[in-house]
Amino acid sequence: SAVISQKPSRDICQRGTSLTIQCQVDSQVTMMFWYRQQPGQSLTLIATANQGSEATYESGFVIDKFPISRPNLTFSTLTVSNMSPEDSSIYLCSVDSRASGDYEQYFGPGTRLTVT
Amino acid sequence: AQSVSQHNHHVILSEAASLELGCNYSYGGTVNLFWYVQYPGQHLQLLLKYFSGDPLVKGIKGFEAEFIKSKFSFNLRKPSVQWSDTAEYFCAVRGNNRLAFGKGNQVVVIP
Repeated sequence: SAVISQKPSRDICQRGTSLTIQCQVDSQVTMMFWYRQQPGQSLTLIATANQGSEATYESGFVIDKFPISRPNLTFSTLTVSNMSPEDSSIYLCSVDSRASGDYEQYFGPGTRLTVT
Repeated sequence: AQSVSQHNHHVILSEAASLELGCNYSYGGTVNLFWYVQYPGQHLQLLLKYFSGDPLVKGIKGFEAEFIKSKFSFNLRKPSVQWSDTAEYFCAVRGNNRLAFGKGNQVVVIP
């Protein structure tokens, strides 16, 4: 398994500002993922981040709004840009960990973002 | 892309009752199937998983799930729940290197 930490754990931000969320893993991983969990909703994949290449965004998410960095195999950041109240959500970092040839995904504790 | 359906979003039951949560998915290729649990105030944890082999898989805390390929289902069961099983349960399907989640079941166990 992998141990994942995220910073900050929560924040309250004003609309129009940006917030960068950090994700740190205790082991080297190839694939890292960023999810959003809006109030009362399920988890939605924002993008997949592989080290050394640009992130791959899912439909409905764009790089200008959610720029991602992946400078090495244990770290990634997600920035929520030009925030609006609709961006209020929990943002989760996730990584793949291979177990007996198959991939499991582990999740960080999440960053609870409130935009006012 | 794959999709996952979970029904009965809110489930309330008494201790010692049996629990079954339904999960149906749609995806044309080979899938891996998961149930995750999120206890109040905690982060997502892997409850159990199916990759291949025996379609009846056992996870932590007495949970089990059965993969029925013909029905595209992966239902979660526990014969006798405890108050500590109060949590949100998410079914997830991995295909094409992407993990898709259902909307979750909020389970409340009354002592």
